[in-house]
Amino acid sequence: KAGVTQTPRYLIKTRGQQVTLSCSPISGHRSVSWYQQTPGQGLQFLFEYFSETQRNKGNFPGRFSGRQFSNSRSEMNVSTLELGDSALYLCASSLLTGYYEQYFGPGTRLTVT
Amino acid sequence: AQTVTQSQPEMSVQEAETVTLSCTYDTSESDYYLFWYKQPPSRQMILVIRQEAYKQQNATENRFSVNFQKAAKSFSLKISDSQLGDAAMYFCAYRRDLDDKIIFGKGTRLHILP
Repeated sequence: KAGVTQTPRYLIKTRGQQVTLSCSPISGHRSVSWYQQTPGQGLQFLFEYFSETQRNKGNFPGRFSGRQFSNSRSEMNVSTLELGDSALYLCASSLLTGYYEQYFGPGTRLTVT
Repeated sequence: AQTVTQSQPEMSVQEAETVTLSCTYDTSESDYYLFWYKQPPSRQMILVIRQEAYKQQNATENRFSVNFQKAAKSFSLKISDSQLGDAAMYFCAYRRDLDDKIIFGKGTRLHILP
């Protein structure tokens, strides 16, 4: 069974632009969570989607948004990029919401210049 | 607010030796879940071990075991017979319940010395 895939793997954007990252969960998994990983702040929860509905949201500004499609694939969008948005963005899927184990993707490395 | 603290940013251990990674957390809940995740260099993060707070018995997964001290709010990870493949960033994590978000510590980078 294929693992969690994230596209693109690397991205360079300019301050003020917007970006969309994609996550395809493991087949059959319906819950997708997003995390931001930076050296300074560590791993921080962004949001979780289950059955196309946002179930949980972390403490991030409204510039960060996401959605989930009927096939469970998820996208996250960051508008008006800031230098501080440079990070590794990780996606994780689980069979259902509330499951112990989340399976992480390789991440998208976003660099904002 | 719940917090997770890993006081050791970096540690080293000789191959085949035992190492313990520390983690403390702060919560007012009585039931919750604790996890250790491993993130190898340039590889995907995986769950190493989990502990339910209502269980008194410490969780064990092969060479990985935890020392869960609920009263002290401490959750350390012991790796026995360290192997080169254990080199990674280890994250301690807390989850109030399975419907809630996961809160991660800042991580401990573990080096294995051959």
